[in-house]
Amino acid sequence: KNEVEQSPQNLTAQEGEFITINCSYSVGISALHWLQQHPGGGIVSLFMLSSGKKKHGRLIATINIQEKHSSLHITASHPRDSAVYICAVAETSGSRLTFGEGTQLTVNP
Amino acid sequence: DTGVSQDPRHKITKRGQNVTFRCDPISEHNRLYWYRQTLGQGPEFLTYFQNEAQLEKSRLLSDRFSAERPKGSFSTLEIQRTEQGDSAMYLCASSPLGGVLAGLDTQYFGPGTRLTVL
Repeated sequence: KNEVEQSPQNLTAQEGEFITINCSYSVGISALHWLQQHPGGGIVSLFMLSSGKKKHGRLIATINIQEKHSSLHITASHPRDSAVYICAVAETSGSRLTFGEGTQLTVNP
Repeated sequence: DTGVSQDPRHKITKRGQNVTFRCDPISEHNRLYWYRQTLGQGPEFLTYFQNEAQLEKSRLLSDRFSAERPKGSFSTLEIQRTEQGDSAMYLCASSPLGGVLAGLDTQYFGPGTRLTVL
């Protein structure tokens, strides 16, 4: 079992739909990161959070430390949101990030 | 452009050859990370520098892999005697010195170097 599990692995939505991507982890963490990766490899950091909720534009990230679970929500999805979304955790014991396998999101017009 | 840059973007080599990749972090970023990503998987941590000191290495970084950051600016990752299993995207990221734990930093990623070992 991976330390970081994401679901679903693949997600197809219609433009305008509300999207949720989930991340569960099994280790103690100091922070959780959500990242976006476009075709060709470029990775962009979306959020870093250690508690509660953060919002940036149409993106919302939440974390429940007790349940070891985080969600990334996209409101009013758009085809340009199509990308791989990756969850990564920073363990309390060190500096490295452990990544999930990613969720491939496709938003159709 | 003042983002993280990596060179080359693509490298094709024959099994057994040595390859070296370069990463130039964002200016004044103290921390630099190397990751490896295979198709359909998330990145895997390889190693991490704070300034010129290599503070952490993954067990994935076998004896054939070595990384340096001699002056605390750019970094190189060398793979000796490449194997087909080394084929992957090699990603570099940098972050400013935000706190004691690097895991709390926002990391800025380069475009990656795609290695193909024939």
